[in-house]
Amino acid sequence: LAKTTQPISMDSYEGQEVNITCSHNNIATNDYITWYQQFPSQGPRFIIQGYKTKVTNEVASLFIPADRKSSTLSLPRVSLSDTAVYYCLVGDITSNTGKLIFGQGTTLQVKP
Amino acid sequence: NAGVTQTPKFRILKIGQSMTLQCTQDMNHNYMYWYRQDPGMGLKLIYYSVGAGITDKGEVPNGYNVSRSTTEDFPLRLELAAPSQTSVYFCASSYLRGVNTGELFFGEGSRLTVL
Repeated sequence: LAKTTQPISMDSYEGQEVNITCSHNNIATNDYITWYQQFPSQGPRFIIQGYKTKVTNEVASLFIPADRKSSTLSLPRVSLSDTAVYYCLVGDITSNTGKLIFGQGTTLQVKP
Repeated sequence: NAGVTQTPKFRILKIGQSMTLQCTQDMNHNYMYWYRQDPGMGLKLIYYSVGAGITDKGEVPNGYNVSRSTTEDFPLRLELAAPSQTSVYFCASSYLRGVNTGELFFGEGSRLTVL
């Protein structure tokens, strides 16, 4: 299983772009990279998923370099409501192994 | 669809008591998971299941048991509760088809306190 490393915490201000990087040096060929957001007292919520290059949806972008040993979640123009914990999850979600391990996550604090 | 439903939402147990946390999903997902989250910490995988009749241990299985007799239900059993099991428990499910393959859908959590 690929181990992930993220910064423990980050601070930002409203309206700024925030980039959170996750390191996963031993990522396997079949592993996907998925990011989740968690607010206090709630379960994590899916943000974005990718395998390689760049993926963009209505809330975020995910950048994955060619060697796939890291990934960067980009949140454009954050607001106070983006204050949350962000988790990078790396795992083989296409087979019957099923085991998905979360890392420690990054606590993002958005200030006014 | 209700998604992933967990019961109870809150529970206080005495040391040595047993209980079952219920989890059911109505999305016909084949994969189901139990995680625990201690205050200020990340999620730890307790048990998971890739389909009815199949379960496997996660990172922290000691003190817990699970069963998966149907696709919909994945109960978590705590035997001989200990203070170290005070935590918030999250059930999740996922599938292998669709745009976001393997996306985890979480329940609202069950907050357990062992005194």
